[in-house]
Amino acid sequence: QVQLQESGPGLVKPSETLSLTCSVSGYSISGGHYWGWIRQSPGKGLEWIGSVIHTGTSYYNPSLKSRVNISMDTSKNQFSLTVTSVTAADTAVYYCARGASYWGQGTLVTVSS
Amino acid sequence: EIVLTQSPATLSLSPGERATLSCRASQSISNYLAWFQQKPGQAPRLLIYDASNRATGIPARFSGSGSGTDFTLTISSLEPEDFAVYYCQQRNNWLWTFGQGTKVEIK
Repeated sequence: QVQLQESGPGLVKPSETLSLTCSVSGYSISGGHYWGWIRQSPGKGLEWIGSVIHTGTSYYNPSLKSRVNISMDTSKNQFSLTVTSVTAADTAVYYCARGASYWGQGTLVTVSS
Repeated sequence: EIVLTQSPATLSLSPGERATLSCRASQSISNYLAWFQQKPGQAPRLLIYDASNRATGIPARFSGSGSGTDFTLTISSLEPEDFAVYYCQQRNNWLWTFGQGTKVEIK
């Protein structure tokens, strides 16, 4: 059974870098599929941030591309998200997902001083 | 960027009624459309992929149709647990976008 779990700081200061990790169990991330990050600001809809495929190639939302990086660590069966120069607008629940089928439970990240 | 427009924003129905949700793409996306259900405090759940295929474990009362730019999610007879927010999502050239959501609420 594929399971995903997000982890990382729940509070980040403005202008700093947000870093999250998604730990995957039940499936090897190097075995295929694409692994992505999606966020949801409080009371708002879903926003795709980006995805990385098993080859390591990444794809990003054009509106966030300049500030976002997604990478894989196959030795730990994890993939990670970094968002630089955060503002209050980056406050959201961040989800990791395998394709569209399997999602983590989400983790709330608040940007505040 | 492909924009998905969902309508209506809110649908007020009673249990047992039929729900019809619409999603329109700003350009053709073939059948690369999925539908998700989201309840408060939960992650989205995949209902339909590739426009008309039910995901594993999804009841038959959920069905999807459409291709190109116009898509529909139909819930044939609403159960109490179906009142939630529904999002459509497209994948084109590895880039995703979501619609803004339709809330199905109890009338």
